[in-house]
Amino acid sequence: KAGVTQTPRYLIKTRGQQVTLSCSPISGHRSVSWYQQTPGQGLQFLFEYFSETQRNKGNFPGRFSGRQFSNSRSEMNVSTLELGDSALYLCASSLAPAATNEKLFFGSGTQLSVL
Amino acid sequence: AQSVTQLDSQVPVFEEAPVELRCNYSSSVSVYLFWYVQYPNQGLQLLLKYLSGSTLVKGINGFEAEFNKSQTSFHLRKPSVHISDTAEYFCAVSLTGGGNKLTFGTGTQLKVEL
Repeated sequence: KAGVTQTPRYLIKTRGQQVTLSCSPISGHRSVSWYQQTPGQGLQFLFEYFSETQRNKGNFPGRFSGRQFSNSRSEMNVSTLELGDSALYLCASSLAPAATNEKLFFGSGTQLSVL
Repeated sequence: AQSVTQLDSQVPVFEEAPVELRCNYSSSVSVYLFWYVQYPNQGLQLLLKYLSGSTLVKGINGFEAEFNKSQTSFHLRKPSVHISDTAEYFCAVSLTGGGNKLTFGTGTQLKVEL
């Protein structure tokens, strides 16, 4: 069974641009979450989607948005990029949210560099 | 709001020695507790989790953790480490019923030396 797939693996953008990151969950998983990882702030929750609906949202500005498609694939978008948006963006999937007895599977991430 | 503190940013240890990585949490409501490991250039992998029941939780790769409610701690232990255990370890909490919204600690870099 294929794991969580994130594309692209690396991305370089300049300030002011926008970027779209993609995440394909494990087959059968319907919940997708996004996290931002930086050396300074560590791992921070961005949002969680289930059945195309956002179920949870972290404390990020409105420049960060996401969506989930009917096949459970998810995208996140960052508009008007700032230098501080440089980070590793991790996607995680599970069978369902409120995943008390479920396991979160993480992808290898997309490394975004903003110049 | 809940928070997680990992006091040790780096822990060096010799191969075959025991190790303990410390984690303390703060929350006014019940939480679930997790330990994740991250190898270089990879995502996170779940080591173990505490939901309820026995306070001693056994995970993969020989790791275990003990939930201590009175001390609000969830320390990770391994009796004998291997070079391949060199990685970054993250403690995390989520609210019961909070879905996949995890609050992570800042991580502990475990470096196993020969």
